Amino acid sequence: KNQVEQSPQSLIILEGKNCTLQCNYTVSPFSNLRWYKQDTGRGPVSLTIMTFSENTKSNGRYTATLDADTKQSSLHITASQLSDSASYICVVSAFLDMRFGAGTRLTVKP
Amino acid sequence: SAVISQKPSRDICQRGTSLTIQCQVDSQVTMMFWYRQQPGQSLTLIATANQGSEATYESGFVIDKFPISRPNLTFSTLTVSNMSPEDSSIYLCSVGVGSYNEQFFGPGTRLTVL
Repeated sequence: KNQVEQSPQSLIILEGKNCTLQCNYTVSPFSNLRWYKQDTGRGPVSLTIMTFSENTKSNGRYTATLDADTKQSSLHITASQLSDSASYICVVSAFLDMRFGAGTRLTVKP
Repeated sequence: SAVISQKPSRDICQRGTSLTIQCQVDSQVTMMFWYRQQPGQSLTLIATANQGSEATYESGFVIDKFPISRPNLTFSTLTVSNMSPEDSSIYLCSVGVGSYNEQFFGPGTRLTVL
């Protein structure tokens, strides 16, 4: 069983709308959690990285939250743009051991 | 941060042949990683390549199939040997930077085996 579960598996939204992606994990001990954006045919690019003591972190229109007690994280995208169409991958680290979620495939339509 | 380039960006190969993928980083890094991403899947770590020592392979990956070189702190190669169609994937290298081992990824090499 994967230790990092992401939902939904895929999502289609209209340009300008907001959306929230979920990441639940069982990885322990916890070191940090990262969200990556992967455009089709490209390598993943880091959006945010959060440690145990951080509850929220923003990067432009992307805001990540972390609840270390419930082992849940979310990535909120505000005012979506066509360029937000990509896969979003949640990665949870136990020190040097990283666990990858399967990703959420987001499609933003005009 | 780190800027990573990979060569080739894509290739189509015949089964039974081998392909060597190159990964170049714009700064010296201790840890480099090789991942495989099969169609529609997330990333799977193949091995960790440290300069001056043999690569450390994850369960399910062996050196004979995926030999790795790490001749210096800015360069690494991954060879996919005796390829079969099941090896068709995107292969990515990454480096770990900083105290949190933040990962920076290369653009990937898209491999198709016929």
